[in-house]
Amino acid sequence: NAGVTQTPKFRILKIGQSMTLQCTQDMNHNYMYWYRQDPGMGLKLIYYSVGAGITDKGEVPNGYNVSRSTTEDFPLRLELAAPSQTSVYFCASSPTGSGNQPQHFGDGTRLSIL
Amino acid sequence: AQTVTQSQPEMSVQEAETVTLSCTYDTSESDYYLFWYKQPPSRQMILVIRQEAYKQQNATENRFSVNFQKAAKSFSLKISDSQLGDAAMYFCAYIQGAQKLVFGQGTRLTINP
Repeated sequence: NAGVTQTPKFRILKIGQSMTLQCTQDMNHNYMYWYRQDPGMGLKLIYYSVGAGITDKGEVPNGYNVSRSTTEDFPLRLELAAPSQTSVYFCASSPTGSGNQPQHFGDGTRLSIL
Repeated sequence: AQTVTQSQPEMSVQEAETVTLSCTYDTSESDYYLFWYKQPPSRQMILVIRQEAYKQQNATENRFSVNFQKAAKSFSLKISDSQLGDAAMYFCAYIQGAQKLVFGQGTRLTINP
């Protein structure tokens, strides 16, 4: 019963490098989300998806890209890493996106850009 | 736009005592959900309790209960018989329909033995 799995758990990048944060869920949830959490702050939505092939921007999408080719996977790509992207990244999923079926969160990826 | 405000960056309480964490929110909607999430040092986001706006009865989950004041747009969390394992960051969050979760800034709760 894995739930939402994020890899890697930790990563250090140099400025200008690119990488993909992986997220997969085994609950057949339609909705998936990417959040970032800066130190001492709450989570802010980067991108979300309501189903395979459909993605949309959240509150802080600049510098990121996503794709959703399958129900299970929702990778987040950083193309040109910048120090401002140092954060903890959370992936989440939900069956319907509604509050009566709360989001399930992964354990997060701590990303440092140096 | 909806906003969620937690005015207490830090709180502390003696073990076995009761503590209340505050949360206010701003919305023009009448049907929505409110949540309290716990984030221990392990970084996991753990759902503590949920409140549906159209239900007047305050939600409870064991030692956790809320005081939901819809007209005042207030949603406080009460933790009774505080335990050392309750130490964590607590986030208040709001969602309306199939929209995004909006989080507050968080309150760091310390439990003193």
